[in-house]
Amino acid sequence: KNEVEQSPQNLTAQEGEFITINCSYSVGISALHWLQQHPGGGIVSLFMLSSGKKKHGRLIATINIQEKHSSLHITASHPRDSAVYICAVRSDTGNQFYFGTGTSLTVIP
Amino acid sequence: DSGVTQTPKHLITATGQRVTLRCSPRSGDLSVYWYQQSLDQGLQFLIQYYNGEERAKGNILERFSAQQFPDLHSELNLSSLELGDSALYFCASSVAEHLAFGGYTFGSGTRLTVV
Repeated sequence: KNEVEQSPQNLTAQEGEFITINCSYSVGISALHWLQQHPGGGIVSLFMLSSGKKKHGRLIATINIQEKHSSLHITASHPRDSAVYICAVRSDTGNQFYFGTGTSLTVIP
Repeated sequence: DSGVTQTPKHLITATGQRVTLRCSPRSGDLSVYWYQQSLDQGLQFLIQYYNGEERAKGNILERFSAQQFPDLHSELNLSSLELGDSALYFCASSVAEHLAFGGYTFGSGTRLTVV
């Protein structure tokens, strides 16, 4: 069993749709990260969360520590949002990182 | 340009060989992280250094080793290479030792192909 589970694995949306990607984890964490990996392979760190909610442009990330769950929302999705979104956590011992298998998002014009 | 420089971008080598991957962190960052991304296993954390000292160790094979030098650049050494070592190797850097206190920046990766 993976320490980090993401859903859905694949997601296709029409441009303008509201998108939600979910992440559940089973370990104690000090932080949770959402990463974006574009088709060319480059990885960008979108958010680091330890509690609550963060917003950057059309992206919103929330975390519920008690439920061990985080969501990444994209409002007014655009084809340039097409990428793989990866949830990652750092254990609260500080010594391990765990990654979800990623959600592949395709936004159709 | 993220500010994290990885070289080389591509590397093709034969089984049994040894290679060295290099990472220069973003200016001012003291922490360097190494990750491996293979098709069948996704992203995996290998090792973290902070200001020259090893801070966290993940699923790094004994055939692999790393170090961070006084100028803060880091090298990942892979030896006795096997076909299964073919992967993208990413380096990331951050200011702080623990990511709970800040975000981090990824390099563009080194694509290693073992033939």
